[in-house]
Amino acid sequence: DQQVKQNSPSLSVQEGRISILNCDYTNSMFDYFLWYKKYPAEGPTFLISISSIKDKNEDGRFTVFLNKSAKHLSLHIVPSQPGDSAVYFCAAMANTGFQKLVFGTGTRLLVSP
Amino acid sequence: EPEVTQTPSHQVTQMGQEVILRCVPISNHLYFYWYRQILGQKVEFLVSFYNNEISEKSEIFDDQFSVERPDGSNFTLKIRSTKLEDSAMYFCASSVAGVNQPQHFGDGTRLSIL
Repeated sequence: DQQVKQNSPSLSVQEGRISILNCDYTNSMFDYFLWYKKYPAEGPTFLISISSIKDKNEDGRFTVFLNKSAKHLSLHIVPSQPGDSAVYFCAAMANTGFQKLVFGTGTRLLVSP
Repeated sequence: EPEVTQTPSHQVTQMGQEVILRCVPISNHLYFYWYRQILGQKVEFLVSFYNNEISEKSEIFDDQFSVERPDGSNFTLKIRSTKLEDSAMYFCASSVAGVNQPQHFGDGTRLSIL
């Protein structure tokens, strides 16, 4: 079941540069998308979300872009900081009235000083 | 900032034994969830719970699993007769509403079945 895919298992970026994490989905019923950050031995921490009625949502250094026609979303982190080093999960929820999140496999981001 | 708390952080149990994982969701949240992550795999949905009943469950959530909200604060996941393949991180989450709202996760319980 690959409804949500994160094709890059890892990404390395220098401090101060932009990090771009990508996510693709296949289920056209998905209409709410979220990004979570996860440190080892901790649970996923909610970062930012976007509804399908928007194509961009911004919160501080984090911006999520949604391209519905391509079934693609991305998370931009600008500027990247060493503390951003973590695993980032994309997740999606369908408009069927059920609340389950479908997660991607995650991308490990390493921000080096 | 309010958070979801889970206990214990690590549970080691013999195969065939019953185990109860505990969660205290964020106090004003109305929807509660359990997810699990087997080592090296995706985070997978198990069950959602609202208004004292299950609103959705996955195919993983078979008759060996049950959930309960025994009082106004706790939310529990019981596995009646554990199997080796139940070894995983189990995450509890809660949200204010059921749709178009983020779910907030606890730090998980690592369940090891011997």
